[in-house]
Amino acid sequence: GNSVTQMEGPVTLSEEAFLTINCTYTATGYPSLFWYVQYPGEGLQLLLKATKADDKGSNKGFEATYRKETTSFHLEKGSVQVSDSAVYFCALSVPRGDTGRRALTFGSGTRLQVQP
Amino acid sequence: DTGVSQDPRHKITKRGQNVTFRCDPISEHNRLYWYRQTLGQGPEFLTYFQNEAQLEKSRLLSDRFSAERPKGSFSTLEIQRTEQGDSAMYLCASSRSRGENTEAFFGQGTRLTVV
Repeated sequence: GNSVTQMEGPVTLSEEAFLTINCTYTATGYPSLFWYVQYPGEGLQLLLKATKADDKGSNKGFEATYRKETTSFHLEKGSVQVSDSAVYFCALSVPRGDTGRRALTFGSGTRLQVQP
Repeated sequence: DTGVSQDPRHKITKRGQNVTFRCDPISEHNRLYWYRQTLGQGPEFLTYFQNEAQLEKSRLLSDRFSAERPKGSFSTLEIQRTEQGDSAMYLCASSRSRGENTEAFFGQGTRLTVV
C-alpha cells in the first residue's frame, strides 16, 4: 500500500534558522508528492508539489526535491520566519486508472514553532 | 468564488444521534473528496466523487456513514448512530480532473465531538 513517514515534531527554531523536515514514502505505482501546510485556525493549503523524479517544488522560500532513489521529499527553507509557524504535512497521490481518483495519503504532520 | 466551504464548522452531538455535514466545492471542480482527521494525525481518505457519481469508498467508511453529491455540486456526509470514536475533523476537498492544476483544495473542516 501507500504510506508517508515524516519526522515527529514539534520542531522549534529561532527566526532565520535553516529548516529541514524529513519525509519518506512507499507507494505502489509512480506517485506525485506534495507538501501541505495548516496555519492555526485555517484549512490545509498546498505549499508545493513535484510530479516526477528529480523535480523540485518551490514556493514562499520552501523547497523540496523528489528523490526516487531514496523515496524522499524533504522540505527545506533557508531562513524561517515567525509567520511560518504551522503544521506541515507531506503527502502523495497515485492515480487510479479505473476511477481517476487522486486521493492523498498523508503523513502525520510536523508542527513547526518559530521563535522571534 | 472563495474556495471550498464546509458547514457547520463545529458540531457537538450526543452518542446515538445522526449528524449531517455539507461541503460546497469550488464551482468548476468536478472531483470531490471527504477525509477524516483525528488529533495528531494526517487526514485519511473516506470517499470520492466525480461529478455526481460516488466512485470509491474507503474501508474506513462504515455502514453508518453515507455521502451524496446529488447534482454534482455540493455534497453531504451523514453519520448515523454516532459513536465516540467518530469524533474527528471531517475535511472536504475538491479538484479539477483536467488541465495543469489538478491539485486538491481543502475546506476548513467540520469538527465533530460526540459526547
